[in-house]
Amino acid sequence: EIVLTQSPGTLSLSPGERATLFCRASQSVSSSYLAWYQQKPGQAPRLLIYGASSRATGIPDRFSGSGSGTDFTLTISRLEPEDFAVYYCQQYGSSPITFGQGTRLDIK
Amino acid sequence: EVQLVQSGAEVKKPGESLKISCKGSGYRFTNYWIGWVRQMPGKGLEWMGIIYPGDSDTRYSPSFQGQVTISVDKSISTAYLQWSSLKASDIAIYYCARAAGDWYVDLWGRGTLVTVSS
Repeated sequence: EIVLTQSPGTLSLSPGERATLFCRASQSVSSSYLAWYQQKPGQAPRLLIYGASSRATGIPDRFSGSGSGTDFTLTISRLEPEDFAVYYCQQYGSSPITFGQGTRLDIK
Repeated sequence: EVQLVQSGAEVKKPGESLKISCKGSGYRFTNYWIGWVRQMPGKGLEWMGIIYPGDSDTRYSPSFQGQVTISVDKSISTAYLQWSSLKASDIAIYYCARAAGDWYVDLWGRGTLVTVSS
């Protein structure tokens, strides 16, 4: 099973700042099958990024994903108030599918 | 509208059985996998398993194998998650999730809260 470790656990930033979230896999993620999701309180998660770097439909271009192998990054270029949430990475290249433990992005 | 509609919240006693549902609409149900994801109170997301409605091919995460059963009735575009004997540790929100062939989730249900209490 591939274990995904997200860092930091909590990130406190202000609107307008740049956010960089990390996801490290315990072994290589095949074909860059890595996705990122956003979850707000009381809501279901929402797909942001798939294939490590492809934005999902309707996702603003301030969200970008990068990385390959074992190290992946989600970058939010300029934080908007609605971006403060919990973010999860997921690998779907190896069975079983696994999620990271999440990064909470808080307003500073 | 493309959506997954989940059944309502449940309150059960330990040892009782339960089956929750997830109905897909607005798309060809048999062309996409349906997965189930657990979120315990205040915790992260856990992948439970996935089923392909076209042929009922089902894959379980090892942590959930033998603990739950995933099934589907493609005639009514509905997937199910069931327990034969609930425990207090099953308290969680359960999300159903649509996945394409690559198994990333592009559509989520709103979740079903399962409470187990004597």
